[in-house]
Amino acid sequence: DQQVKQNSPSLSVQEGRISILNCDYTNSMFDYFLWYKKYPAEGPTFLISISSIKDKNEDGRFTVFLNKSAKHLSLHIVPSQPGDSAVYFCAASDDRGSTLGRLYFGRGTQLTVWP
Amino acid sequence: ETGVTQTPRHLVMGMTNKKSLKCEQHLGHNAMYWYKQSAKKPLELMFVYNFKEQTENNSVPSRFSPECPNSSHLFLHLHTLQPEDSALYLCASSREDGNTEAFFGQGTRLTVV
Repeated sequence: DQQVKQNSPSLSVQEGRISILNCDYTNSMFDYFLWYKKYPAEGPTFLISISSIKDKNEDGRFTVFLNKSAKHLSLHIVPSQPGDSAVYFCAASDDRGSTLGRLYFGRGTQLTVWP
Repeated sequence: ETGVTQTPRHLVMGMTNKKSLKCEQHLGHNAMYWYKQSAKKPLELMFVYNFKEQTENNSVPSRFSPECPNSSHLFLHLHTLQPEDSALYLCASSREDGNTEAFFGQGTRLTVV
């Protein structure tokens, strides 16, 4: 049973416009959320994160929004650039009160930014 | 350069072979992970090591055998694999604390023939 869902396998956006990638989760114990970006033939690289005590975190062109009541988060990229074309993975952690976090991943969304 | 290095990058092996995947991290982290990414599936956590001790085995078949000799190195020993085990195997590391991002290696693309 998948606890982190990315329902859009792909997204195509024109350069300069906003890209919005969505993620839903089912486990109310998740308290930390991350976005990873993955280029072909490379491992995922960390992009941005948000704690459940916040509803927004911004880093340059990237902003993550968290709606806990809806169990939904989104990644906004503005303005989008062709170099942003990659697979974006949403991940969540419940920590389970332990000292070691564990990440649950969505299936990813392929973002294509065209000129 | 992510600080997490995996070798080999590609591996083709027969079902009767024995091979090992290697992961090394230079980030001073104390937790290391093996993930599996199959086609059209989410990243699946396989094993977790914290301070060299295995803290999680996510119902992985015994034909996959991890080894963590120290906090900087992690191995995945493979034997008598099946074609459905063909996938991208990713190593990651993180600080021992919870709620922290994991840094991934580039992965080993494994094909079992």
